[in-house]
Amino acid sequence: DAKTTQPNSMESNEEEPVHLPCNHSTISGTDYIHWYRQLPSQGPEYVIHGLTSNVNNRMASLAIAEDRKSSTLILHRATLRDAAVYYCIPLIIQGAQKLVFGQGTRLTINP
Amino acid sequence: DGGITQSPKYLFRKEGQNVTLSCEQNLNHDAMYWYRQDPGQGLRLIYYSQIVNDFQKGDIAEGYSVSREKKESFPLTVTSAQKNPTAFYLCASSGTGGRYSNQPQHFGDGTRLSIL
Repeated sequence: DAKTTQPNSMESNEEEPVHLPCNHSTISGTDYIHWYRQLPSQGPEYVIHGLTSNVNNRMASLAIAEDRKSSTLILHRATLRDAAVYYCIPLIIQGAQKLVFGQGTRLTINP
Repeated sequence: DGGITQSPKYLFRKEGQNVTLSCEQNLNHDAMYWYRQDPGQGLRLIYYSQIVNDFQKGDIAEGYSVSREKKESFPLTVTSAQKNPTAFYLCASSGTGGRYSNQPQHFGDGTRLSIL
């Protein structure tokens, strides 16, 4: 399985951009990169996913390195509600999806 | 609104008893999943099902059992054989197969199980 490395924690200020990095140097050529986030005592919430090119949606942007060994989740203007644990996950399709959750990055947003 | 419903939110059972956690979805998804989360840890896959009447073991299936008699429902039984059942249990669903294989998983709000 592909391994990921994320910082244990990050801190940012409200209304500022946040860049959450993830290293996935052992990812295979067909694995998509998915990002989920989890608020306390809730189930994870899908944020965004991509394969090779940068992706944008209403929640965030995903920048994927050209060699696909790393990616960065970008929250353009953080709010207090963005405080959560963010998981970077290579999606393995083995019959069904297999999401392998690591420790994630705990993001703190200061008012 | 469409979504995943897990019940109950909190569950207490005596040691040695089996307990069943409910998971229902109205998203018309073929695939459903059960995860376990321990404090400060990521999620670990217990069981998953791609279609009715079929399911597969995940990474930590020992001490658990599931059934998939209906597309909408995927109950998880925590048996007395599970050595350390106290945890946060999360159910998810997704589209599967073909162009849907990369679809995101939708999660419920979880059931927190405590063994007394």
